[in-house]
Amino acid sequence: DVKVTQSSRYLVKRTGEKVFLECVQDMDHENMFWYRQDPGLGLRLIYFSYDVKMKEKGDIPEGYSVSREKKERFSLILESASTNQTSMYLCATERARSSETQYFGPGTRLLVL
Amino acid sequence: SQQGEEDPQALSIQEGENATMNCSYKTSINNLQWYRQNSGRGLVHLILIRSNEREKHSGRLRVTLDTSKKSSSLLITASRAADTASYFCATDRGTSYGKLTFGQGTILTVHP
Repeated sequence: DVKVTQSSRYLVKRTGEKVFLECVQDMDHENMFWYRQDPGLGLRLIYFSYDVKMKEKGDIPEGYSVSREKKERFSLILESASTNQTSMYLCATERARSSETQYFGPGTRLLVL
Repeated sequence: SQQGEEDPQALSIQEGENATMNCSYKTSINNLQWYRQNSGRGLVHLILIRSNEREKHSGRLRVTLDTSKKSSSLLITASRAADTASYFCATDRGTSYGKLTFGQGTILTVHP
C-alpha cells in the first residue's frame, strides 16, 4: 500500500513566521502535489512536482514555495505566514503521467494567528 | 461555476437507503474520479471512470458518466453509518498530466 505521511497533523504559527510542511511517500511515485482545502472551496492545487528538483505552479501559488530535493520528499514553504493561509493542507502522490489515482496524506491543519 | 461541481452539497439518509451524488463539469476529460474524505482526514480514491466508459461498479458503488451532458453520478447502495463522509469528484485537465480539478464535495450523513 502507498503510504504518504505529513510531518504534522496540527500546527499553530504566528503571522510572519516561516513555516515548513513536509510530505514523505514510500511508493517511488514521480508526481507529488500540495493542495489546500477550505470550506466551500474544495481542494485547490498550490504546487506540484513531477521529478526531483522540478516544480510547477498550481492554481494558487502566491505566498508559497516548494522544495523537492529527493524523490520521496516534497516540502511546502510559507515564507511569511499570514492569517489567510490558515487552512487544511493536503499532500498527494501519483505515478508519473497518469492523471489517475492520487494518494493523499492525512493532512496538516494549520492555524496562523 | 467550477469544473467538477457536486450536487447536492449535503445529503442525509437512513442506514440501508441508497445515496446518489452528482457531479457536473465543463471541459472535455479523459477520466473522472470519485474520492471520499472522512472528517479531518486525507482523501481516499474510490473509483475511476474513463471517458469511453458509461458505467462502472465497485462493491456497493456504481458510477455513471454521461459525456454528452458532462455529468457523472455516484450511487452508494445499502448505505451504512460508516459511509458518512464527504465525497468529491475530480476531473483531469486533458493533457496536463497529474493535474486534477476537485469539486466542492457532497457531505453524506448516514443515520444508524
